[in-house]
Amino acid sequence: EDQVTQSPEALRLQEGESSSLNCSYTVSGLRGLFWYRQDPGKGPEFLFTLYSAGEEKEKERLKATLTKKESFLHITAPKPEDSATYLCAVQGNNNDMRFGAGTRLTVKP
Amino acid sequence: DAGVTQSPTHLIKTRGQQVTLRCSPKSGHDTVSWYQQALGQGPQFIFQYYEEEERQRGNFPDRFSGHQFPNYSSELNVNALLLGDSALYLCASRIPGLDTDTQYFGPGTRLTVL
Repeated sequence: EDQVTQSPEALRLQEGESSSLNCSYTVSGLRGLFWYRQDPGKGPEFLFTLYSAGEEKEKERLKATLTKKESFLHITAPKPEDSATYLCAVQGNNNDMRFGAGTRLTVKP
Repeated sequence: DAGVTQSPTHLIKTRGQQVTLRCSPKSGHDTVSWYQQALGQGPQFIFQYYEEEERQRGNFPDRFSGHQFPNYSSELNVNALLLGDSALYLCASRIPGLDTDTQYFGPGTRLTVL
């Protein structure tokens, strides 16, 4: 069965303090790994799709990387508006979309 | 360009009742998926509709059913509501033609079962 584990569960950073969020996965035939941002009480907002090991994508202060077993979401010089829950999801050969529980990020000014 | 829309925003029901939630996909999207998100958890896949048929289903009982209309909008129906059905219900639509599911989510419907 596909599994996604995100760590840490919660992360508190000072504004400007860079860090990384981890997404470890097991999947039968990775078709895609997805990162979403979710604000409280709202639907997830799409950030990135990664398809194969070694791939990297960037958007503003965020950079996502992928290996065969995990993905990292690197946040460079975060701002308070980056505070949210970041969700990772994988899709395998069975086409099921499996989400992790998320990392709740708080950035203090 | 309107994104994915869902209605209603909030809903309160009692145990045993039935509920219908609605979703309109993003313009140009033809595939709609539904998810259940309990508090503090990631979304769990319920089912996916394409060309008005249920194409794939997650591990949810038959009390959960759905429909897709010719204009690609969709409904989620839940019968015999249980307290455990309280959650945020999310609809997501997908760009046609891609091999993987890069999906765009709506704001969700918050269902509370008393």
